[in-house]
Amino acid sequence: DIQMTQSPSSVSASVGDRVTITCRASQGISTWLAWYQQKPGNAPKLLIFAASSLQSGVPSRFSGSGSGTDFTLTISSLHPEDFATYYCQQTNSFPRSFGQGTKLEIK
Amino acid sequence: QLHLQESGPGLVKPSETLSLSCTVSGGAISSRSYYWAWIRQPPGKGLEWIGTMSYSGSTDYNPSVKSRVTISLDTSKNQFSLRLNSVTAADTAVYYCARRGDHGRAYDYWGQGILVTVSS
Repeated sequence: DIQMTQSPSSVSASVGDRVTITCRASQGISTWLAWYQQKPGNAPKLLIFAASSLQSGVPSRFSGSGSGTDFTLTISSLHPEDFATYYCQQTNSFPRSFGQGTKLEIK
Repeated sequence: QLHLQESGPGLVKPSETLSLSCTVSGGAISSRSYYWAWIRQPPGKGLEWIGTMSYSGSTDYNPSVKSRVTISLDTSKNQFSLRLNSVTAADTAVYYCARRGDHGRAYDYWGQGILVTVSS
C-alpha cells in the first residue's frame, strides 16, 4: 500500500500570505495525485487533479505541482475563505490513500 | 448538476451490520465513465478510503475492511450501497459517498456525509 505524508500538519498564516503544503508518497505515483479542501461540517471539495490541473470553478490562486513522490499545493494569496484543512490523495493504485491532512489556521 | 445523498441509520449496535445507501440525482449511475466510492472520516480525524465500484460491477476494497465490506449498485433506483459487517466502535465515522470523475481518477462529487455511531 502507498502511504501519503503531508507536511506541515498545521500552519498559521495571514490573509494575503503565500502558503505551500507538501505531500510525499511512499513510492512513485507519477502525477496521480489530487488535492481536496475540507471545511468543518462539510464534505471535501476537489481542488486539483492529476497533480497540477485545476478543477473547474476553483480560483486560480490555487496551484499544484510535482510528480513521482513529491508534490506541493500552493495558495498564492490567502483569502479568508481558504482557512480549512487540506488533504492529498494518491489515485495511482488501490487502495486509494489520503494524507493525514494539513490544517490552515488564521494567524 | 449531480447530487449525491447518503441515507441510513445513524446508530448501529456493535457486532451488527452497517447499511448505507447513496442516491444519485442529476446523472445516471450506470454511465460508463464513472466509478462510485465510499470514504469515511472518524470524528476529528482524517479521511479513509473504504472502496469503490465501477459501472460494470467490478469492486476494489481497502484491505483494512475487505473481509467485512460489500459495495453494490442498484441501477433501477440510481443508488449504490455500503454494507459493513461486524462493526465495532472503531467504525464510528462520518461516511461519505463520492463519484470518481473523468479527470485524474479524483472524486469530483461528494455527498454531504452521514454520521454513523456504533454503540450499544
